[in-house]
Amino acid sequence: AQRVTQPEKLLSVFKGAPVELKCNYSYSGSPELFWYVQYSRQRLQLLLRHISRESIKGFTADLNKGETSFHLKKPFAQEEDSAMYYCALSGRGAQKLVFGQGTRLTINP
Amino acid sequence: GAVVSQHPSRVICKSGTSVKIECRSLDFQATTMFWYRQFPKQSLMLMATSNEGSKATYEQGVEKDKFLINHASLTLSTLTVTSAHPEDSSFYICSAPDGLEGYTFGSGTRLTVV
Repeated sequence: AQRVTQPEKLLSVFKGAPVELKCNYSYSGSPELFWYVQYSRQRLQLLLRHISRESIKGFTADLNKGETSFHLKKPFAQEEDSAMYYCALSGRGAQKLVFGQGTRLTINP
Repeated sequence: GAVVSQHPSRVICKSGTSVKIECRSLDFQATTMFWYRQFPKQSLMLMATSNEGSKATYEQGVEKDKFLINHASLTLSTLTVTSAHPEDSSFYICSAPDGLEGYTFGSGTRLTVV
């Protein structure tokens, strides 16, 4: 079964501080991992996916198969990063996408 | 990029009536559409997967007869909430694999049953 766990419902950091949003997963096959962001009153947007290995808006995430983790990191938080962040997992080939519980990130000035 | 258009964005209906939510893929063909439900301050819960030309696959615990899904064409999938009750009030979101970035999401429908 697919399972995604985001242990922190709320995370608050100061502007300029490093940010790490945790994500752990459980999946028997080869997973595809994603981070989605939802800004206030907007639809879900893809932030990044592990296979593209890109850095978007300064965020990076590395898939650690040994620890079954896909933590999202940014070295210097900005106020505009305040949003809801969801970690998600699917099997290969556009299979169903399962979401974690989400972490609400607040960046304090 | 690929866009999924979802309508209506908000709907209020009376208990016992049915409500249809539409999701259309623009500029791409969506052979598969995922339907999610999101309660306030909670995550997206997958309800069902619709496939063009075949029956939808429902997640455990989701009533098939209550949440009717139709995927009659490569660009349109619909979710009908039948005999709606106040506990069906929620935010419903559709999503389709777009073959590019992965998945694209509709803007959601807020259903309120009174």
